Amino acid sequence: QSVLTQPPSVSGAPGQRVTISCTGSSSNIGAGYDVHWYQQFPGAAPKLLIYAAVNRPSGVPDRFSGSKSGTSASLAITGLQAEDEADYYCQTYDSSLGASVFGGGTQLTVL
Amino acid sequence: QVQLVESGGGVVQPGRSLRLSCAASGFTFSRFAVHWVRQAPGKGLEWVALISSDGTNKYYTDSVKGRFTISRDNSKNTLYLQMNSLRTEDTAVYYCARTGEGAPDLPIDSWGQGTLVTVSS
Repeated sequence: QSVLTQPPSVSGAPGQRVTISCTGSSSNIGAGYDVHWYQQFPGAAPKLLIYAAVNRPSGVPDRFSGSKSGTSASLAITGLQAEDEADYYCQTYDSSLGASVFGGGTQLTVL
Repeated sequence: QVQLVESGGGVVQPGRSLRLSCAASGFTFSRFAVHWVRQAPGKGLEWVALISSDGTNKYYTDSVKGRFTISRDNSKNTLYLQMNSLRTEDTAVYYCARTGEGAPDLPIDSWGQGTLVTVSS
């Protein structure tokens, strides 16, 4: 059971907008630690998608955006495309655990 | 370009040991902290350990404390994970992953392709 809670799955039709939530607590996201998002395709390594809640690394389409408020963060994907079908993970640091932590992951299905 | 290449995975019996390596290239290895992150079959990502750029600071998830040891040789641009007293629940793909130095909440900006460790009798 991860200290960061994500929905196990989300889905949307091509062109639609979907959001994935990442709920933490006062010892991680709520403490001000940066939240990052990763995209992982089956059989491949994860890839950094969003860092420090809102920033996109070079090469990541602007259809992907992030936000953070209180003890939660969110990843939004607009103009959904079939190629976005993947697993998505949030990550931050937890001061109570003294450890880096990942959310349980969310599987995105493009209908 | 940045490359991280893991090796050393395989099938091992419970209670035995295994050492993973991660060869880094394309960047100044000694300036970056490095994680080990694992992923059990069909499961999510789990952080395992972190080592600072100079190797002096090491951090572990509770389930591997006392069994796993992270280390690095900056002269060889290589990261290691010594895994002792292996358990079936340690079965996973193990990734080495680069991060910045100086804060505990920096992002992982590069990942290796992973090496599979299977603990089974």
